[in-house]
Amino acid sequence: DAGITQSPRYKITETGRQVTLMCHQTWSHSYMFWYRQDLGHGLRLIYYSAAADITDKGEVPDGYVVSRSKTENFPLTLESATRSQTSVYFCASSADRDNEKLFFGSGTQLSVL
Amino acid sequence: TQLLEQSPQFLSIQEGENLTVYCNSSSVFSSLQWYRQEPGEGPVLLVTVVTGGEVKKLKRLTFQFGDARKDSSLHITAAQPGDTGLYLCAGAPGGSYIPTFGRGTSLIVHP
Repeated sequence: DAGITQSPRYKITETGRQVTLMCHQTWSHSYMFWYRQDLGHGLRLIYYSAAADITDKGEVPDGYVVSRSKTENFPLTLESATRSQTSVYFCASSADRDNEKLFFGSGTQLSVL
Repeated sequence: TQLLEQSPQFLSIQEGENLTVYCNSSSVFSSLQWYRQEPGEGPVLLVTVVTGGEVKKLKRLTFQFGDARKDSSLHITAAQPGDTGLYLCAGAPGGSYIPTFGRGTSLIVHP
């Protein structure tokens, strides 16, 4: 199906392990974003990308790495997972620079034990 | 500090009641967006307001952008159980193109 898809939907991992969350969009949108959603904090921006090979830090980037070798993919890697990274992660994309309309994936619920 | 402050944080009402959700900031925004998020899903855009003083209606939902473009409100008339969800305001402050989100208002409408 066309749209923006995230995988996996659910992930349980252990402290110290590396985890990669995948995000794929079929619209060729230029902008892509990774947010984490936690109770009491709302959606906080981790990283964003304006185009392939262009990425930049958001509000809470520590402990995360991103890459964007192709326009349609924007994976997020937790290099050494910590319990504080237990959260729901959302990927989003936008067609234009104003970013007035974000399309979100269904999220990945990550638990770090 | 949160750039966009939403209130109230929680609302639990009966079907048929009216409600208003507020989104306030000390910063000026070129536009503000309202999203609704249902459990287990990502947020979905409801509306974008662009002009100061603008009012937009979406069926029973009325959105208003403040004259100074620092605040917005969402009013729901005769709420229904299908309106249950998390309502988020978002926007990119002046000079930025990266949207930031408020913490959201969690609405439950009881039949």
